[in-house]
Parts: sequence; structure tokens; C-alpha cells
Amino acid sequence: GEDVEQSLFLSVREGDSSVINCTYTDSSSTYLYWYKQEPGAGLQLLTYIFSNMDMKQDQRLTVLLNKKDKHLSLRIADTQTGDSAIYFCAESIDMRFGAGTRLTVKP
Amino acid sequence: NAGVMQNPRHLVRRRGQEARLRCSPMKGHSHVYWYRQLPEEGLKFMVYLQKENIIDESGMPKERFSAEFPKEGPSILRIQQVVRGDSAAYFCASSPEPGTAKNTGELFFGEGSRLTVL
Repeated sequence: GEDVEQSLFLSVREGDSSVINCTYTDSSSTYLYWYKQEPGAGLQLLTYIFSNMDMKQDQRLTVLLNKKDKHLSLRIADTQTGDSAIYFCAESIDMRFGAGTRLTVKP
Repeated sequence: NAGVMQNPRHLVRRRGQEARLRCSPMKGHSHVYWYRQLPEEGLKFMVYLQKENIIDESGMPKERFSAEFPKEGPSILRIQQVVRGDSAAYFCASSPEPGTAKNTGELFFGEGSRLTVL
């Protein structure tokens, strides 16, 4: 966790966009990941991006990667109450996870 | 198509007792990771194993904690002489052999084992 940093909390209103940010230190990772953890459950892979890409879009999800600044973000468009969860970023080099960002979506 | 199976899902122990947590990886997966999640905290890496071999145990406390992944059977995380600070959710994840075509680096997580130390 020390090599991957995230803000701990984010609160948005239903229908707004959410942006969750992550910084990492090891530039040799081949992949960077976003996982989602719903209450009382394990983590599930949400999406991932190859390190040679700048952006990946998958329906409501957009992942942006800035390799120069070692910054990864996850944007969720039209956020729904079902998106309330903890979101973790991780890098493939050692499978360490950030502390997780708890997203709360208010109706 | 069973996923990663962890048991028990909930375990209650008194201080000084031993806790054994078991993890059966997904079929075809040869690598297992253990993580600890404390209440309101993130996921902390503990240990990374393949069958009969510990690859990285840099996240394991030096005392009381041990892990194994035998040739046959599940991976076991063992905590001896538990203390209240060991109360947490322990997650296991598995992956195929790294570098193989089917490995994208994704980890497949179990539902976790929640340890409560009284």
C-alpha cells in the first residue's frame, strides 16, 4: 500500500460524474488496475489499462494514465447508487493495492 | 466454475488461541496471495505463494504468522496466539502462472474470512 496512494473518501450526487485518483511509484508495471469492493465482499476487477496506453473507455468508465506523473484516474459517468463501494487501484509489478477510495453516492 | 473459496467466512477466537484460515484457489491457478484488511483501512499485502514455495512474504509479521500452500490441498494462513489487533478481514486471491497467455495479471478474490478476537 505505501507505493500506491489514493484519497480515502469521495461523495457525489446520483447522476454526477465521479473521479477517483491514484498515484503510484513503480513505472515498470505492465498493467494498472481498478478493483471494486462492495460491502462485505471481496474485490472484483473493474477494469485495467496497459502501461503503454493513455486512456481506456469501457461504457461508463474512463481510465486515464499519465505515466510521466505516475497518475491514474477512474472516471465514472452518470454515477448511480449501485456504484457506492470502495475502489482500489493496483499495479501489476507487485500486486500492492492503494488504501482504497470509499465512494458514496447520494440520491 | 467455482471461484476462490475461503473458509471459514467468520471465525471467533479468544486471545492466545490459534486461527487457521483456508483458501482454495480457482481451478487451474497456481499462485495465491493473502491480504489483510483492517476496519476502515485499505488492503495490506501479506504473502505471495505458489505450490510448495513462498515467493514473497515481505508483508507478513515476523512472529505468530505463517502461510503455506502445499502440493495438495488449500493454502493455509495460520495465526498463533492471536491478539485483539489481529481482528480483521483476511482475503485470499489467486492467479494463473505469471507470463502465461491466460494471465493478464488480474487477481481473483475470495469473499474473505473475518476474524474476531475476543
